[in-house]
This record gives sequence, structure tokens and C-alpha cells, in this order.
Amino acid sequence: ETGVTQSPTHLIKTRGQQVTLRCSSQSGHNTVSWYQQALGQGPQFIFQYYREEENGRGNFPPRFSGLQFPNYSSELNVNALELDDSALYLCASSLGSGASYNEQFFGPGTRLTVL
Amino acid sequence: AQSVTQLGSHVSVSEGALVLLRCNYSSSVPPYLFWYVQYPNQGLQLLLKYTSAATLVKGINGFEAEFKKSETSFHLTKPSAHMSDAAEYFCAVVEAGGTSYGKLTFGQGTILTVHP
Repeated sequence: ETGVTQSPTHLIKTRGQQVTLRCSSQSGHNTVSWYQQALGQGPQFIFQYYREEENGRGNFPPRFSGLQFPNYSSELNVNALELDDSALYLCASSLGSGASYNEQFFGPGTRLTVL
Repeated sequence: AQSVTQLGSHVSVSEGALVLLRCNYSSSVPPYLFWYVQYPNQGLQLLLKYTSAATLVKGINGFEAEFKKSETSFHLTKPSAHMSDAAEYFCAVVEAGGTSYGKLTFGQGTILTVHP
């Protein structure tokens, strides 16, 4: 069974650029959640995708957008990068969604640095 | 709205000593509670979870936590610290039911240092 994988592991961008981060779900999982972890902070929920539809969003501006593909892999896109976007971006996959909680399995993260 | 407070951003113990990491939560509905561990440059690994069954929850690597509704707490303990326990620990909450979307709300984290 393959776990959650993310690419790239590290990324350096400059302010104003756009970035795409990728996540492959654990086998059999149909839900992907994205979290931002700034240095010294706990992860913060960005949004969740369930069967290719956005299924909840945290307090992040619209320049953070996502996509989930038919194979349940996912992308996180961030436009007009700001210095404060520098963080570790974590992807977590799970099976199912909605009212009942299903355990989320985390990937190793992508470290984004914005200069 | 749900929130988590971890008391103490840094905890230092000697090898073999008791580990106690504190977590208090706020939730408008019955919560599910979790402890995760994060090693440097890695993602999050689930240590244990409370999902409204037994209030004393046992996890991996000898850790356990007790859900105390009256105190809104979910403190993490381990009787005897090992050097390999040095890491950052996060307490998290999700609202069981409603429109939670499976959104985990994390505390700020506690860095555990273990001295020989």
C-alpha cells in the first residue's frame, strides 16, 4: 500500500509568482485535505476536496485554489505569492467525507520559500 | 467554533522521566481529539485518537491520553521518556458531526526535548 506522496519536496519562488504543489493520495482514498504550516505554528486547514469537488474551506484568500483529479490526486495552486506564504504545505488523504470523521494520513509536505 | 490550546511550547525531560504534554480544547459539539507527532522535515504521524469510546486512549510508542470532558482536556503522557521521543507534538480537534468537513484544528505544538 502506497502512502501519501507530495512533490516537489522543496520549492523557492519570488513574490508575485504562481506555484503548483502536487499530492498523490493513499491507495483507495477519495478525499484530500490541504494544510499550511508556517514556521513554529500548527498546521492550518486550507481546504478539502471530496470526489473532485471542494468540500470545505478554511480562512484563506481565493488566490489559494485547488483541484482534485479522477484518480483522487490533487493540486494546490497559489497565485500572486506573498512572503507570508512561505511555509510547509501538507496534504492528507482519507476515505469518505461529510459528517463522520475519517482518519487523515499525511504526506511529508512541500517546503515553499517565497523571496 | 473549535480551538486547541497547548500549554508550553517547549517541554524538557530526562530520559526515563514522565512525559506530560498538555492540551485543552474548545468545541461547541462533542469533539474527536488527536495527538500527532512531527519529526524534523517530516509530515505528521498519528499517535492516538479519541472518538467517544473509552476516555483513556492508548497509542503507539507507549503514549496514552485521557479525555476529561469536565476539564476540556486531553493531555498526552508517557511513563518513561526515550531519546527517540524528541520531536514536536500537536494536539488537534475535529467536530464530530455537523458540517465539519473533516477539518482538523491544531494547537501551536509542543517541542519535546529529551536529555540523556
